[in-house]
Order: sequence, then structure tokens, then C-alpha cells
Amino acid sequence: TQLLEQSPQFLSIQEGENLTVYCNSSSVFSSLQWYRQEPGEGPVLLVTVVTGGEVKKLKRLTFQFGDARKDSSLHITAAQPGDTGLYLCAAGGGADGLTFGKGTHLIIQP
Amino acid sequence: NAGVTQTPKFQVLKTGQSMTLQCAQDMNHEYMSWYRQDPGMGLRLIHYSVGAGITDQGEVPNGYNVSRSTTEDFPLRLLSAAPSQTSVYFCASSRGLPSGNTIYFGEGSWLTVV
Repeated sequence: TQLLEQSPQFLSIQEGENLTVYCNSSSVFSSLQWYRQEPGEGPVLLVTVVTGGEVKKLKRLTFQFGDARKDSSLHITAAQPGDTGLYLCAAGGGADGLTFGKGTHLIIQP
Repeated sequence: NAGVTQTPKFQVLKTGQSMTLQCAQDMNHEYMSWYRQDPGMGLRLIHYSVGAGITDQGEVPNGYNVSRSTTEDFPLRLLSAAPSQTSVYFCASSRGLPSGNTIYFGEGSWLTVV
């Protein structure tokens, strides 16, 4: 089982600020996924990264996969209240499913 | 678009009672799974199925049973509920294995065992 460490666990910032959250492991991943989960809902897939060094952008969200494929980061530019939620990274995804990190709880204050 | 539908949304059980959490998907997905989500523990896999008639255990299977008689349905049964099973349960499905496919989650079932 791959252990995924996410940091920070909690983050509260003001609207308009930039932020970065991290997902780290001692294992090498074939791919890594990022999800956002809002209160009362299930996780929703944001992106999948598969190549070391890969950078993907989704509007104001930038996802980077480490060169060694052991870590990943999510950077949000000019955060908005709508970005509030639990951000989860996940890896694996063979027959025995995904392994999730514990998540970063993000609050964007107006 | 229904996607993955879970019922009930909320349930309170007494210790020792049994119940079934229902999960249905209308996307003709082969792979289905159940996770539980607990504070400080993240999402943990309970059981999964790679197709109708095939099920297997995940990380935390004790106290739960599943069956997959059809492609669409994947119910999760609690045989004798315990307070440790108080959690939020999510059903998920994907066309194939999660590593190469988008996995879709239901909205969750909140279970409290007293």
C-alpha cells in the first residue's frame, strides 16, 4: 500500500491570495490523481498526471507531478471562495482501488 | 444524468442491527467499489468488484458483505452494526480499473451506529 502524505492538513487564506498544497510519498507512482470534495458530496476528479515533470493547468489551478513521480503539488492562483473544499490526492488504481491521502482542508475567506 | 446513486443518504442504527446501503450506476461501468471516510483517516477501500459476479476485499472489509448480481448494482451489507462503523460511505464506479479511467463517486451515505 502506498502511503500518501498531504500537507498542510488545514489552510485558511483570504480571497485573492495564492496557495500551494502538497502530496508526497516514498513510493514511485505510475499516475496520481487530484480530487476536490465539497461538504455533503463525493470527491470529484480534477486531474490525472502520469508523466514525471508533467504540469497541467485547469483555469487557476496548476498541478505538477514531480520528476521522480514520488510527489505532486497543486497551486491555486488568486483563490476564490468557490475553491473552498477538501483536496485529496490519490494513487494506485489497480484492481484493489485507489489509495487516498488524508486531504487538505482549504477555506477561502471573502 | 444520474451517475452513481446511493441510498439512503442518512441512517441511524442500533448496535447489532443489520442494513444494506444501496448503490446503483447507470453508466454501464464494470468496476465498482465502496469506501468509508473517517476524520483523520481519509478514504479507505472496503470492497470492490471488477464485474458482475466478481467481488473482492479491500483494506477494511471486516463487518461488511457485498454482492454484484448485475452490472448496475453493488449493495453493501452491514451484518451486525457496531459503533466503529459510524462513518460516511461512498460508492464509486469507473469503466475499467481506476488507474486508467475516471472514477465517479456517489454523494455518500451518512451512517451512525448508536
